Amino acid sequence: EIVMTQSPATLSVSPGERATLSCRASQSVSSNLAWYQQKPGQAPRLLIYGASTRATGIPARFSGSGSGTEYTLTISSLQSEDFAVYYCQQYNNWPRTFGQGTKVEIK
Amino acid sequence: QVQLVESGGGVVQPGGSLRLSCAASGFTFSSYDMHWVRQAPGKGLEWVAIIRYDGSDKNYADSVKGRFTISRDNSKNTLYLQMNSLRAEDPAVYYCAKDGAGDSGYFDCWGHGTLVTVSS
Repeated sequence: EIVMTQSPATLSVSPGERATLSCRASQSVSSNLAWYQQKPGQAPRLLIYGASTRATGIPARFSGSGSGTEYTLTISSLQSEDFAVYYCQQYNNWPRTFGQGTKVEIK
Repeated sequence: QVQLVESGGGVVQPGGSLRLSCAASGFTFSSYDMHWVRQAPGKGLEWVAIIRYDGSDKNYADSVKGRFTISRDNSKNTLYLQMNSLRAEDPAVYYCAKDGAGDSGYFDCWGHGTLVTVSS
């Protein structure tokens, strides 16, 4: 099973600032990597797939990068609605696995 | 638009059974692989099971293999999860999720979830 490790666990950021979230896989996932946003009491929402492709309707301030085992989600200028928990997920191998999440909170 | 609506959650005793349903609309259900993903209270996401678009193949997380069965009825646009021998570690919100591009492996649409509680 591929283990996905996200860092940091919590990120405190002021509105308007940039946020950088990291996700590391225990072995290469060949860019078969997705990012999701989850707000309290809501289902996750797909942000990024293929490591860097924004899903339909996702604002351009969200960007993904990386390859192999190292991936990054960047939120260029945090808006109030972006404070949430973010998960990465690999879909290169079975079982599909998620990171433990990074909570982005207001500083 | 794409909509997934889960139902069937509730309280069940350890060792008991429950059947979850997920009604799909707004897309060609029979063309997409479908998944169940769960989230224990206050915890992260765990993929549970997948069923191919035509029901021809299924795969499960080790934690549920032999106890849970995923199925679908394409004539009713409905996904199911039969959960047997429920354990103390199974309580969670169970989400059904649509595969992103047929069989891509990522999840581009999620239901609102249904809560399963295991308690004596």
